[in-house]
Amino acid sequence: QQQVKQSPQSLIVQKGGISIINCAYENTAFDYFPWYQQFPGKGPALLIAIRPDVSEKKEGRFTISFNKSAKQFSLHIMDSQPGDSATYFCAASGAGYSTLTFGKGTMLLVSP
Amino acid sequence: GAVVSQHPSRVICKSGTSVKIECRSLDFQATTMFWYRQFPKQSLMLMATSNEGSKATYEQGVEKDKFLINHASLTLSTLTVTSAHPEDSSFYICSATDRLPYEQYFGPGTRLTVT
Repeated sequence: QQQVKQSPQSLIVQKGGISIINCAYENTAFDYFPWYQQFPGKGPALLIAIRPDVSEKKEGRFTISFNKSAKQFSLHIMDSQPGDSATYFCAASGAGYSTLTFGKGTMLLVSP
Repeated sequence: GAVVSQHPSRVICKSGTSVKIECRSLDFQATTMFWYRQFPKQSLMLMATSNEGSKATYEQGVEKDKFLINHASLTLSTLTVTSAHPEDSSFYICSATDRLPYEQYFGPGTRLTVT
């Protein structure tokens, strides 16, 4: 029940295209859903996060869509650029939990 | 804001020696710090959670006598890998927060290689 399932494991998108990464969770007590971006040899960086009181949050080219009834959330990267090539992790947490539960990650490659 | 640093960024040590990794929150007071381990092409694996001034809580399967964690102040936590062996070679990442259970800010990581 603590798991966060992330897909796909890897993704290749052409420059200018839309990258979509999906995550699903089981624990209805989760109420915080962040996405992290990690470049090789670097620590993860918080990209964008959402709470269940909204269905969508947009920051620049990055959008989180959240479906509470389906217990799913996704990251959309619009106008994907080669510089977006990285590993993306979704995560979840909530009141009563002191740790983040991470998905297994998605390696995104944006081809020039 | 919310910057976390780690030192060193890379370390190579000989088998049997101990290595200390520092994690600092530079612009906020971190009530809680976390230590993760990451193998190539894998997700982050939580090793332990530490709160300032108290003993760290280790995840199941993590040897507390091998991975010593000290959270001496609200801005500094250290991880000491004692009697390191080649299988301890990994990427160690810390994170810090002042607002559990929400935003965690990660350090840049430390690449440990044990020869």
